[in-house]
Parts: sequence; C-alpha cells; structure tokens
Amino acid sequence: KQEVTQIPAALSVPEGENLVLNCSFTDSAIYNLQWFRQDPGKGLTSLLLIQSSQREQTSGRLNASLDKSSGRSTLYIAASQPGDSATYLCAVNADYKLSFGAGTTVTVRA
Amino acid sequence: EAQVTQNPRYLITVTGKKLTVTCSQNMNHEYMSWYRQDPGLGLRQIYYSMNVEVTDKGDVPEGYKVSRKEKRNFPLILESPSPNQTSLYFCASSFGLAGGYNEQFFGPGTRLTVL
Repeated sequence: KQEVTQIPAALSVPEGENLVLNCSFTDSAIYNLQWFRQDPGKGLTSLLLIQSSQREQTSGRLNASLDKSSGRSTLYIAASQPGDSATYLCAVNADYKLSFGAGTTVTVRA
Repeated sequence: EAQVTQNPRYLITVTGKKLTVTCSQNMNHEYMSWYRQDPGLGLRQIYYSMNVEVTDKGDVPEGYKVSRKEKRNFPLILESPSPNQTSLYFCASSFGLAGGYNEQFFGPGTRLTVL
C-alpha cells in the first residue's frame, strides 16, 4: 500500500523567505505526482504535475522536483507572500487512485 | 470552461434519508473518482470508474454506491446515511491514469452533515 508522508506538518515563515516542502512515498511505481493547494474548508487547486519520467516542473515562483527512485518530491516556493498561506498537499498517482499526504500548513507572516 | 461540478455544495440531512451527490465533468474524461476528506485522516478514495459502466471500490467504499451510465456523470449515492459519513467530499476526473494526460481535476467539494 502506498504511504505518502509530508514534512513538516506546519511551517511559519516571514514574508520573502523561500519555502521548502517535502513529500516522500513508499512505492516508486507511480504514474505521476501532483502538488495541490487547499485553503481552509475549500477545494483543491492543482499547482504542479510531474510525470514519473520527469525530474522537475516549474510554474512561476513554484518549482517541484521528483526523485522517483528514492521516493521523494520537493516543492519550492520562492519569495513567499502572505497569500501563499494555505495547506499544501502532495498526491501520488498509482494503483487507480491518488494517495495523499496529510499536508503541510504554511503561514507566511507579513 | 473546463471543469468538474458537484451538487449540492452543502447538505445537512438526517440519518437514514437517502441522498445523491452529483458530479459532472465537461472534459470528456474517462476516469472519475470520489474522495472524502476528514480531519486527521486526509483524503481517501471511496470509488473510482475507469469508463462507462466500469466502477470499482477504493479504500473506504462502505456505505456508498456509485454508477457510471454516462461518461460525464458519476453520482455518489448514500442509501442510508449515518453520522460517520459527515465529511467533505470531492469528485475528480482525468483522461486516464498513465500516459501524458493524467492530471487529476477536482470539483469544488460537497460538505455533508448527517445528523
């Protein structure tokens, strides 16, 4: 069974600092990995999708890396802003479903 | 606009009263699935469908039914809801699972309270 772990569970940083969010998974037989953002009580916003054959994806201030062999992905958010405050979820696509981590809750202090 | 829609968005009901949460996508996706999200447990898959008339159980299917009679629709049915089904429900879809068109798109969520 795929297990997805996100560390840290919570993170508080001052505005302008770079964010590093980690995701690890136990089974490397995956189709892809997606990073999502979720605001409290709201839906999921897809941020980045990395196919299993890719090492990295970038969108604006966001960059995600994938090391499938070691079961790790990292989401970098450059120059954080208060609007980046949310919970970030990584999800591994395998075995007919997405397996989600518990998320990292980020607070960016103005 | 390409999207996944869910209805209703909020529902308060009582134990035992059958209900259906609808999910519809306009992207011609073959794969659809349902998840529930609970504090401390994260998101867990309830059911999924690979195509019309093809459905299978996810991790937490007890107490739920689904059907896929049309490609665009994937309703979630609670025949006899119980308080432990109080949760935030999400529908998702994609073209498939493998290959280059497998990004999952999520609906806005349905917040269900069973009294």
